[in-house]
Amino acid sequence: DTEVTQTPKHLVMGMTNKKSLKCEQHMGHRAMYWYKQKAKKPPELMFVYSYEKLSINESVPSRFSPECPNSSLLNLHLHALQPEDSALYLCASSQERGLVSYEQYFGPGTRLTVT
Amino acid sequence: AQSVSQHNHHVILSEAASLELGCNYSYGGTVNLFWYVQYPGQHLQLLLKYFSGDPLVKGIKGFEAEFIKSKFSFNLRKPSVQWSDTAEYFCAVNEPNNDMRFGAGTRLTVKP
Repeated sequence: DTEVTQTPKHLVMGMTNKKSLKCEQHMGHRAMYWYKQKAKKPPELMFVYSYEKLSINESVPSRFSPECPNSSLLNLHLHALQPEDSALYLCASSQERGLVSYEQYFGPGTRLTVT
Repeated sequence: AQSVSQHNHHVILSEAASLELGCNYSYGGTVNLFWYVQYPGQHLQLLLKYFSGDPLVKGIKGFEAEFIKSKFSFNLRKPSVQWSDTAEYFCAVNEPNNDMRFGAGTRLTVKP
């Protein structure tokens, strides 16, 4: 099973709302990633978890808060977002992150609209 | 850190035409190279990857890519495209202890 699942598929939220995006994989991967993708643009890395520890925060605003409850789950908590945060949020996983590189498997994404 | 350049922003081809999409990267050390495809409304899928060995890599759906180290290139090819190949194609580079960097993407439109 090479599937990464994400919920919800679509999310519309106001600027004062709090919501969470969820990601799950059952491939035994130890690295998980959050990306933001705007229309017709490549994915931009936001966060990396390696062995359930946050490795990289690519200077993402604090209104985005990641959480890795266990090795299979990844959450992205959203609070006080801005309309420019509207995008497709992608989750990915890979076997590991380190000296050896592995391919990443992507989920279908959550289409977020901030009103 | 490495950068990735994709030369073609939008390519329009007729069915059965041959395809070559360019990808160049800037890092001079050991890298791993990937091509991902994103069909309309679908998620990113891995087309092929190069880690080491034979520089000519074959992927899914009849795609192949050639790693030319001296040119820092990893171009994607397909001898005969189909309408169903219409998609966005991303080249990506990954160096050890670093994270994947994507090129800007090339939109391929295949006319039936």
